[in-house]
Amino acid sequence: RKEVEQDPGPFNVPEGATVAFNCTYSNSASQSFFWYRQDCRKEPKLLMSVYSSGNEDGRFTAQLNRASQYISLLIRDSKLSDSATYLCAVKGSNDYKLSFGAGTTVTVRA
Amino acid sequence: NAGVTQTPKFQVLKTGQSMTLQCAQDMNHNSMYWYRQDPGMGLRLIYYSASEGTTDKGEVPNGYNVSRLNKREFSLRLESAAPSQTSVYFCASYQEDRAAFFGQGTRLTVV
Repeated sequence: RKEVEQDPGPFNVPEGATVAFNCTYSNSASQSFFWYRQDCRKEPKLLMSVYSSGNEDGRFTAQLNRASQYISLLIRDSKLSDSATYLCAVKGSNDYKLSFGAGTTVTVRA
Repeated sequence: NAGVTQTPKFQVLKTGQSMTLQCAQDMNHNSMYWYRQDPGMGLRLIYYSASEGTTDKGEVPNGYNVSRLNKREFSLRLESAAPSQTSVYFCASYQEDRAAFFGQGTRLTVV
């Protein structure tokens, strides 16, 4: 089983729609969680960290469910510029291994 | 700030050749990472260094070696390149509570 798994999508949504997707992780001792955005052939860039109580950054909301071992990302009022691949990242508690999922592709259409 | 700098940005190697990918960060981060990214595979961890003087294998270490030269620099070496190592390589640095920041990547083709 992979350490971090994501639904690859693609999610094709109209502008203004809400889209949400999850990322599951296998190590229950994982401590730190992140969402990254990657545009085609570019380096991943941090979108937001995910905190235990959940957190928002503008139109983006991240949640952590430790019991079921997944994190989620919700994008409200989607913009064309939100089209990208979203990668989740998980770091263990006992080491500094930082593992990524394969990414979820989101395409926002006009 | 430069952040994380990788060199070279592009490279073509012949099978069997060797090369070293360089990575340097100026954010004073303790941890550094090397990933490869292939279509549909996401980022796969090759090696990482939790702190200066330590290195550990990741998910796909075979065919690679690394050196954590100092706190700033973490290099990745291919001793005998194979076509299966054709990929995009990303270096990243990480500090607790600050997440990871990536270099712009090295696009390597082995022919």
